[in-house]
Amino acid sequence: AQSVTQPDIHITVSEGASLELRCNYSYGATPYLFWYVQSPGQGLQLLLKYFSGDTLVQGIKGFEAEFKRSQSSFNLRKPSVHWSDAAEYFCAVGAGGYNKLIFGAGTRLAVHP
Amino acid sequence: SQTIHQWPATLVQPVGSPLSLECTVEGTSNPNLYWYRQAAGRGLQLLFYSVGIGQISSEVPQNLSASRPQDRQFILSSKKLLLSDSGFYLCAWSPPKGGTDTQYFGPGTRLTVL
Repeated sequence: AQSVTQPDIHITVSEGASLELRCNYSYGATPYLFWYVQSPGQGLQLLLKYFSGDTLVQGIKGFEAEFKRSQSSFNLRKPSVHWSDAAEYFCAVGAGGYNKLIFGAGTRLAVHP
Repeated sequence: SQTIHQWPATLVQPVGSPLSLECTVEGTSNPNLYWYRQAAGRGLQLLFYSVGIGQISSEVPQNLSASRPQDRQFILSSKKLLLSDSGFYLCAWSPPKGGTDTQYFGPGTRLTVL
């Protein structure tokens, strides 16, 4: 069965430091992969997505993610974190027809000044 | 451009009372529509999805039901709420085609059942 694992429940970084959020997936076919961000009490905003092609994907707000098929991973990165990046981040995999998505449990990011 | 609306934004209901949450999409036709629930400290669980008027698929057995009376309207209902129904409910839409495409989320409804 398809699944998504985000190993880190909470991460704290200092403002200006680099960031990497981990995501591992289990999916039998070529995956469609997404990262979403959720600010407290808000809906989810799409950061980036991977469907095919270049395995390094650029997104909004300076984020990027790299698809590594051999490691079944789609880690999210940002070279320099801003205080406004504090939020919860969700990785998701496309799970077949009608655009069904399977979400990870999320990683909550805190940013220290 | 497309927009998605949900209301109410917050709701406090007693156990055993009925529920109706509404989601509407503007700027697109025949979207796929989804209801998710997000329990405190947990990820998103897909509850229902719909590919057309009157077509509802349920992902998990539960105390809730969904309906799609119009092309761009999706309603989540319950006849009698349980404490376990508390959570953050998110509606989403995606373009009307098969396969996987991006889902776009509404602002959510915070439901507290007391």
